[in-house]
Amino acid sequence: QKEVEQDPGPLSVPEGAIVSLNCTYSNSAFQYFMWYRQYSRKGPELLMYTYSSGNKEDGRFTAQVDKSSKYISLFIRDSQPSDSATYLCAMTYNNNDMRFGAGTRLTVKP
Amino acid sequence: SQTIHQWPATLVQPVGSPLSLECTVEGTSNPNLYWYRQAAGRGLQLLFYSVGIGQISSEVPQNLSASRPQDRQFILSSKKLLLSDSGFYLCAWGPGAGEKLFFGSGTQLSVL
Repeated sequence: QKEVEQDPGPLSVPEGAIVSLNCTYSNSAFQYFMWYRQYSRKGPELLMYTYSSGNKEDGRFTAQVDKSSKYISLFIRDSQPSDSATYLCAMTYNNNDMRFGAGTRLTVKP
Repeated sequence: SQTIHQWPATLVQPVGSPLSLECTVEGTSNPNLYWYRQAAGRGLQLLFYSVGIGQISSEVPQNLSASRPQDRQFILSSKKLLLSDSGFYLCAWGPGAGEKLFFGSGTQLSVL
């Protein structure tokens, strides 16, 4: 079993849809959880950063962490074509080895 | 504000040739520095990280090495490239262990 599991997609939605992206993990020691957005052939860009369980909202983006279920989510409201990218989840437990999901490729169609 | 520079963006090298990728960070002091490799559909693999000048930790035994000659400079090297070294290489910096990472724009390396 991989330490971090993420459905690779691809996921295609119409413009304006609500997008739900998810990751599961096996290491209960993870405390810091992140979502990155990566455009083709570019470096990942940090979208959301949360510590422990709970929700965090930033504009159209909401990150949720459920440590009891070892499950994290990213919701995108009112999705736009510019949101088309690969989304990576990442997590760590206060060390230098951050674990990444394989990424979900999202396409938002106009 | 902090910025990270990584170059070149694209590199095509023959098998057996040397490699040098450079990364520099501006606007911060004593950052943690990282080299990752990204393979399609497989996520990011940590190759090396450094918590200070001359301090390098290797996560994966391989044909590559890293050096940190200055506080905000991180270099990835190889003496002889293999076909399997092809991939997308990313440099990143972070304020400390367990905290968020900020990535450079990446280098697409093709070894032919």
